[in-house]
Amino acid sequence: EVQLVESGGGLVQPGGSLKLSCAASGFTFSDSAIHWVRQASGKGLEWVGRIRSKPSGHATAYAASVKARFTISRDDSKNTAFLQMNGLKTEDTAVYYCTRHLLGDDRVFDYWGQGTLVTVSS
Amino acid sequence: SYELTQPPSVSVSPGQTARITCSGDALPKKYAYWYQQKSDQAPVLVMYEDSKRPSGIPERFSGSSSGTMATLTISGAQVEDEADYYCYSTDSSGNPPFGGGTKLTVL
Repeated sequence: EVQLVESGGGLVQPGGSLKLSCAASGFTFSDSAIHWVRQASGKGLEWVGRIRSKPSGHATAYAASVKARFTISRDDSKNTAFLQMNGLKTEDTAVYYCTRHLLGDDRVFDYWGQGTLVTVSS
Repeated sequence: SYELTQPPSVSVSPGQTARITCSGDALPKKYAYWYQQKSDQAPVLVMYEDSKRPSGIPERFSGSSSGTMATLTISGAQVEDEADYYCYSTDSSGNPPFGGGTKLTVL
């Protein structure tokens, strides 16, 4: 069974840092791109960034709103992806989801985690 | 920046056909994907590559795309289809936005 489980959310002050994890199971993690998507309360989905699979060189890309503040990485040996968030702003408050796109599969974002809440507030 | 535009809301009675549109300049060249999100739940993929339905998604869900507009159609909408629906695609640069979402009400 494919599973994605996010963790690491919580309350952080503006300007602070937080590192989210996305633990995967049930599929060949190294063959999958992992994307992070966030959703502020009552708002729509916002793509945050992604890290490609090992065959694709682990290339990363980010939304303009988080570029230079957020970094996505992965440890294929632990089937885990990470979202390092620095310089957090109140507008980064959201539920953060990780989702996958398996290399060579036409189904984009076919599995999602349950999300982890990040609250940026003083 | 690239944008995908959806109507904020669509309302139908049970058994009627609901059509949710998504417009974007790159859609003639890029596939559209559709996600259903029910209250306090993670999104679920309901349509990929414009018109392909993942396993487990009811046959009443269908998709199409023509020109700059993609459409998700729910034929004979059920009360359980009430949710927010988001389209997703990429532009020529590969920047992947979501549409703003459409709240489907079935009552």
